[in-house]
Amino acid sequence: EVQLVESGGTLVKPGGSLRLSCAASGFSFNIVWMNWVRQAPGKGLEWIGRIKSEGDGGTLDHAAPAKGRFTISRDDSRNTLYLQMNSLKTEDTAVYYCTTEGWEPGPFRFWGQGTVVTVSS
Amino acid sequence: DIQMTQSPSTLSASVGDRVTITCRASQSISDWLAWYQQKPGKAPKLLIYKSSTLESGVPSRFSGSGSGTEFTLTISSLQPDDFATYYCQQYSGYPKTFGQGTRVEIK
Repeated sequence: EVQLVESGGTLVKPGGSLRLSCAASGFSFNIVWMNWVRQAPGKGLEWIGRIKSEGDGGTLDHAAPAKGRFTISRDDSRNTLYLQMNSLKTEDTAVYYCTTEGWEPGPFRFWGQGTVVTVSS
Repeated sequence: DIQMTQSPSTLSASVGDRVTITCRASQSISDWLAWYQQKPGKAPKLLIYKSSTLESGVPSRFSGSGSGTEFTLTISSLQPDDFATYYCQQYSGYPKTFGQGTRVEIK
């Protein structure tokens, strides 16, 4: 059974940093492209970025709001995806989900339960 | 960036109704379109991909169609479990953009 479990969400002050983790199990994590998606309170879904598998070069793509502040990484030895968030703003308050994409561009088949990040003074 | 526009934003319907949601892309995305269902407090669930391919385990009352810039999600006979918010998403290119969502509520 595929499982994605996010962690690391908490209350953080504006300007602060946070690292989210996504522990994966039930599939071959090392060959799957992974994404982060967020959802602000009462709002829609917003794609943050994607990291390809190491076999596909580990290429990163980020959405504009994340560029320069957020970095996605992965540790295939730990089956874990990360999202490092720096210079956090109040508008980064959201539920953050990790998702699987497969091994080529495609839809997001599996999702974690989400972790809540609140940016507030 | 490719903009995705859904209509309507909210839809009131009764159990047994046929429901159609429209999604328009700001440029052609071929058939690289997915539909998701989200219930309050839960993660989204993939329903349909490649415009019309039903994800495994999704009831056959859900169907998708379209290509290029215009797409539809149809629920042939609305069931109590279907009251939720639905999102389209293009995966033709980056950034992968979602529609703003359509909330299906009980009439």
